[in-house]
Formats: sequence, C-alpha cells, structure tokens
Amino acid sequence: QVQLVQSGAEVKKPGSSVKVSCKASGGTFSSYTISWVRQAPGQGLEWMGRIIPILGIANYAQKFQGRVTITADKSTSTAYMELSSLRSEDTAVYYCARDSSPAPGAIDYWGQGTLVTVSS
Amino acid sequence: VIWMTQSPSLLSASTGDRVTISCRMSQGISSYLAWYQQKPGKAPELLIYAASTLQSGVPSRFSGSGSGTDFTLTISCLQSEDFATYYCQQYYSFPRTFGQGTKVEIK
Repeated sequence: QVQLVQSGAEVKKPGSSVKVSCKASGGTFSSYTISWVRQAPGQGLEWMGRIIPILGIANYAQKFQGRVTITADKSTSTAYMELSSLRSEDTAVYYCARDSSPAPGAIDYWGQGTLVTVSS
Repeated sequence: VIWMTQSPSLLSASTGDRVTISCRMSQGISSYLAWYQQKPGKAPELLIYAASTLQSGVPSRFSGSGSGTDFTLTISCLQSEDFATYYCQQYYSFPRTFGQGTKVEIK
C-alpha cells in the first residue's frame, strides 16, 4: 500500500521560502510521478507541477514558473516542493500526490497535506 | 491552458436521489478526465479515471461518461457518505487543471 507522509505545518513571512517534504513508502518510488497540488482556504484544487524521480525531470505550471522547485531524492524516497517569494495568497494546504499507474496524470494516492501560512 | 467549467457549483439533494455533475472543457481532451471526491479536512480521493473507469474500491453507484469536451459524473443513489465536494480534472495536457468543484449538500 502506497503511503505519502508530508512534513508539518509551516508559518512563513512574506518574501521568504518554504520547503515541504513528502516521504513515500510502498511501491517503487523511482517509477512514480509525484505531483504537487495546493488548495487555498475554502477554494478549489490547483496543480503546481510534477516530477518523475527516475528521470529527475520536473514540469511546472506557468503560474509558478520561477518560484517553485520540485525535486526528488531516490535514496530516501522523498520528494520536495520549495516555493519562494511567498505572499499571503500562497497560504494554502499543499498536497503531494502520486500519479495513477493505469492513468498517468490522474492521481490515486495523496499525502495528508501540509498547511503553509504566510503572514507578517 | 485548458479551462474547465464545472456545474453546478452547489447541488442540494436527498439521500436516494440520482445526481449528475457536469464538466465542460475549453478544448477536446479525448477521455483524459478524472473525478475526485473531497470531504472537509481530507485529501481528495480518486473516483473515476479515463472518463468512465471506476477506481478500485469505489462503489458502483458512481459512474462517469463523456469524451471530447463534455463529461458527466453520476451518483445513482445518493448515500449519506456521498455528501462532499466533487472535482473534475483533465490530464490531457500541462498544466493539469481542475474544475471549480461541486458541493453536494443535504437538502
């Protein structure tokens, strides 16, 4: 059974950066595709980007290009999402998630979510 | 970017009702569409992928249909545990995009 366990809640100042981790267990990490999706309070879901650990290749939504970096450490089966130049609008729950094997792009496993609060 | 219009945004229904949620794309996506259910404070859960394929473990009262630009999620007989918010998502192209969500509430 695949499990994705994320790091804990963060409170950050505007202009700073945050790095959220996502440790995977079950399955073969290198063969996953890991996506990051965020959800602002009371709002919908927003896809930020993804990484294929075995290739080390990441794709990002244009909206976050230049501010987000997604990486993966195959040795520890951990993916990371770093978001810089934080502003209040970045306050959200950030989820890591794994793409479905039969339907890459659909997401079949999700982390528990990490609340990032940006406040002065 | 593929834009998605999901409707309605709010649906009031009773246990036992048949409900349908619509998702319309700004361009064709073949069948590269997924549906998710999300309950408050929880991560979304995959219900359907490839527009109509039921994810393992999902009750058969959930079904999906459509291709191209118009898609539908149907719950044939609403149960108490189905009151939640539902999202469609396209995975035809990058960036992946989600619909705005449909909250199914108790009438």
